[in-house]
Amino acid sequence: GAVVSQHPSWVICKSGTSVKIECRSLDFQATTMFWYRQFPKQSLMLMATSNEGSKATYEQGVEKDKFLINHASLTLSTLTVTSAHPEDSSFYICSASPGGTDTQYFGPGTRLTVL
Amino acid sequence: GQQLNQSPQSMFIQEGEDVSMNCTSSSIFNTWLWYKQDPGEGPVLLIALYKAGELTSNGRLTAQFGITRKDSFLNISASIPSDVGIYFCAGGKGAQKLVFGQGTRLTINP
Repeated sequence: GAVVSQHPSWVICKSGTSVKIECRSLDFQATTMFWYRQFPKQSLMLMATSNEGSKATYEQGVEKDKFLINHASLTLSTLTVTSAHPEDSSFYICSASPGGTDTQYFGPGTRLTVL
Repeated sequence: GQQLNQSPQSMFIQEGEDVSMNCTSSSIFNTWLWYKQDPGEGPVLLIALYKAGELTSNGRLTAQFGITRKDSFLNISASIPSDVGIYFCAGGKGAQKLVFGQGTRLTINP
């Protein structure tokens, strides 16, 4: 149980284009979903927290107009990197929490490379 | 942002040896979680701890929630090659956001 999927697993795009990443909780309803960014050999950096049906809460220093988050249902959240640039290249990981505890279940991650 | 103090940062051991790592904090947490991350993958939950003093096992893994609620340890007994990876501790305070340790990179020498 508690499986979270992400799609795509990797994406390569040209500078200036937008990329959408999907995060789905497959066998539970996620009241809250989280988006993280991870640089090589570093820990996870929280970008934003999203609750179904409401606006995401972004961490300090994360541009909300650049990283658009939509949490349309209890099983789906999307992250759109708008006008991507090479510095946006990173490993993006989502997680989902079924609520009631702080436990988060992570997706497999999406490797974004912006050329 | 806040991070937990996780140690050691890296470990180089022989197959079959036991492993111990820990996380400490200056503040209290209500939840302690231990994750393992393989290269190019997302973290996988190993053990979740919800009560101070709780000792929980998952196969060869054992983790404890410190009595002071400011620390936790993870032990791996009789290590095997597939234990290689990065282990992260994470603490929760009931607001759902987690605070992560810097990770412990485990390498097993054949």
